[in-house]
Amino acid sequence: DGGITQSPKYLFRKEGQNVTLSCEQNLNHDAMYWYRQDPGQGLRLIYYSQIVNDFQKGDIAEGYSVSREKKESFPLTVTSAQKNPTAFYLCASMHRAGYTFGSGTRLTVV
Amino acid sequence: QKEVEQNSGPLSVPEGAIASLNCTYSDRGSQSFFWYRQYSGKSPELIMSIYSNGDKEDGRFTAQLNKASQYVSLLIRDSQPSDSATYLCAANGSGGSNYKLTFGKGTLLTVNP
Repeated sequence: DGGITQSPKYLFRKEGQNVTLSCEQNLNHDAMYWYRQDPGQGLRLIYYSQIVNDFQKGDIAEGYSVSREKKESFPLTVTSAQKNPTAFYLCASMHRAGYTFGSGTRLTVV
Repeated sequence: QKEVEQNSGPLSVPEGAIASLNCTYSDRGSQSFFWYRQYSGKSPELIMSIYSNGDKEDGRFTAQLNKASQYVSLLIRDSQPSDSATYLCAANGSGGSNYKLTFGKGTLLTVNP
């Protein structure tokens, strides 16, 4: 079955560490997105990519970085510059009828 | 900054009743609108999309769009306890941003048995 796979499901980060969240899709979709969700908040766009080797900042890109070397993969790195990274991170790809989301990664700072 | 606004709720309805969820959007150029359901701790899942003015029905769900009023709604008939979730409204951007969705903060719906 086609879909989006995010890993890990839970991730713990120590202060000052960089961590990378994985997002892989086998839907053959060109556009991929990273959103962050905090309690009581909607989804906020971090980065998006429409094609391989190209990506753009979303509304809250500071402290994050991405790469898009393959159509299937769009990893997100949460750097030490992101001061409040504890959140639920969602990867999505876009098709004609909207977004398909992965199952999410819950990141906690310890 | 383009916005999508939803009633924050929470909204509580008895089992079997009609639940009505509302959403307004600020980008007059938006053409595509979506309703997602999100259970606690899970990722959003698409339940309805609507592109034209009027109503669109799918089973117990009806989406309504009024572009003149920049208003989108979702009606859930014969509400079931399994419908208890947060419902997110989303709209695409206009022009070069038509491939990006902006989401509302969501409305928490509780269906009481």
